[in-house]
Order: sequence, then C-alpha cells, then structure tokens
Amino acid sequence: AQKVTQAQTEISVVEKEDVTLDCVYETRDTTYYLFWYKQPPSGELVFLIRRNSFDEQNEISGRYSWNFQKSTSSFNFTITASQVVDSAVYFCALSEGRGDSSYKLIFGSGTRLLVRP
Amino acid sequence: DAMVIQNPRYQVTQFGKPVTLSCSQTLNHNVMYWYQQKSSQAPKLLFHYYDKDFNNEADTPDNFQSRRPNTSFCFLDIRSPGLGDAAMYLCATSFWTRWETQYFGPGTRLLVL
Repeated sequence: AQKVTQAQTEISVVEKEDVTLDCVYETRDTTYYLFWYKQPPSGELVFLIRRNSFDEQNEISGRYSWNFQKSTSSFNFTITASQVVDSAVYFCALSEGRGDSSYKLIFGSGTRLLVRP
Repeated sequence: DAMVIQNPRYQVTQFGKPVTLSCSQTLNHNVMYWYQQKSSQAPKLLFHYYDKDFNNEADTPDNFQSRRPNTSFCFLDIRSPGLGDAAMYLCATSFWTRWETQYFGPGTRLLVL
C-alpha cells in the first residue's frame, strides 16, 4: 500500500534560518511521482514540484531545493533563508505512475511551518 | 489568468439541509476532482470526473454526489450534511495526459450548524 509520512507536525524558525521538511514514502511501484504542495492560510494548495521515480537529480528553484533519495525513500524539501511569507502548511504527496489509481494523490499529514520575524 | 474558481469561499448550512458547492475552471482541463480536507488533516479525494465519466472513491459516503454539466463547471452536492462533514472542500483540475499535475482552487470552507 502507498503511504506518505511527514513526521514533523510543526516547525518554528526565525526568519533567515534554513529549514528542512522531511518526507518519507512507501510504495511497491517502480514508477511513481512525488510532489510538494504549499497551503497558505488562504487555503488553496499551491503546486511546488513534481518528481518522477526515475529522476533522482536534486532540484533547486530559488530558495527552494529538493533532495530525492530512493535508497531511503525520502523526498525532503529545504527552504534557504526562510521568510515570513513561507509560513504555511506543506504537504508531500505520492501517486502511482500507472494503473487505475494513477490519478490519485496520497498526501502526507502535512508540516506546519511558522517563520517568525 | 486561467484558474480554478470556487464559490462561495465560506458556506454555512444547517444539519440535514442540502448544500451545493461549485467549482469552475478556465484551464480547459478534462479532469476535475473534489477533495475533502478536515481540520489539520490531509486532503482526501472524494471523486473525480474524466470528461463526463464519474469516478467515485470506494470510501466516499453516499451522502456526497457530484454533477458536471459541462467542461467548465463541477458541483459537489451534500444531500444531508452532518456535523462531521464540516471541512474545507477543494476542487482541482488536470489534463488526463498530465494528470500528475493538479491545479487547486482556493477551497470552500463548510460549516454545519
């Protein structure tokens, strides 16, 4: 069965600190996709990144970076020099690469990030 | 800007009184999804439409129904809301060939009195 675990329920940092959000996943599929979404207080889910299981290259986008390690089934998200606007709930999600349920996003329970000025 | 729109943003209903939430999109996506997100929990998929084909998740209660009269609009009907149905309801869209990238609306927060 597929499962996503975000062990950190809440993280509080001071502005300009770096912060890493952990995500560990379980799947028996060899083809799958991993995602990160941001949910600010306004409620909408904002897509941040998608990574397929065959691409283990780490990615950097501005202050955001993602570390995908199949060996440890982890897909961690780092925010460098955090800002108050980064305060939100962050969800990691997984979906199968093929099959009848390939459309289905399995979300972790989310990590609430609070960036204090 | 192309987007996913949900109205209203906040909805108050009474226990047992039917309520309809709406979602519209200007992205011309052929798949539309409805998620339920209870407080401090992850979103949970209720059902989705691929064009006019309705696909219900196995654990979605019968109390929840959906309609998609055209490509742009999709409705979530809760026939007899209970207190446990109070939640944020999120609509999302995608292309079937790019199902893995879903675009979410701002959500409708439902309160049941």
